[in-house]
Amino acid sequence: KAGVTQTPRYLIKTRGQQVTLSCSPISGHRSVSWYQQTPGQGLQFLFEYFSETQRNKGNFPGRFSGRQFSNSRSEMNVSTLELGDSALYLCASSLVPTPTNEKLFFGSGTQLSVL
Amino acid sequence: GIQVEQSPPDLILQEGANSTLRCNFSDSVNNLQWFHQNPWGQLINLFYIPSGTKQNGRLSATTVATERYSLLYISSSQTTDSGVYFCAVETSFNYGQNFVFGPGTRLSVLP
Repeated sequence: KAGVTQTPRYLIKTRGQQVTLSCSPISGHRSVSWYQQTPGQGLQFLFEYFSETQRNKGNFPGRFSGRQFSNSRSEMNVSTLELGDSALYLCASSLVPTPTNEKLFFGSGTQLSVL
Repeated sequence: GIQVEQSPPDLILQEGANSTLRCNFSDSVNNLQWFHQNPWGQLINLFYIPSGTKQNGRLSATTVATERYSLLYISSSQTTDSGVYFCAVETSFNYGQNFVFGPGTRLSVLP
């Protein structure tokens, strides 16, 4: 069974641009969540989607948005990029949404650099 | 919201040594997981362990939910164990925060 797939692996953008990241969960998993990882703030929750609906959203500005499609694939979008958005963006999938007693499985992440 | 602490922040071992990593959390949890982040950034799920003890090869974990801590044991460490170890917790009473991760323990295993 294929794992969580994130594309692209690396991205370089300039301030003011927007970016879209993609995540395909493990087959059969319907919950997708996104996390931002930076050296200063660690791993922080962005949002969670289940059945094409956003269930939870972390403490991030409205420039960060996402969506989920009927096949459970998810995208996240960051508009008007700032230097501080440079981070590793990780996607996780699970069978059911939180709160859960299920395991989380992560993709390899997208490393975003904003210049 | 719930607070998660991990200790030690950094650990350097010789190959073959044993180690214990600790995770403390400030509130009751319904889900606790340990992850290993390898040098390429991938987070690998090691254990789902909201309570009790589990073992998987050279790794084992124990969570004492009533005392709000979890321990990850690594025995006979290998260089491939190097990386950052995170614990992540989830509580039913923390709506909007999903899983909360600790700051991690960076482990370096020297040959």
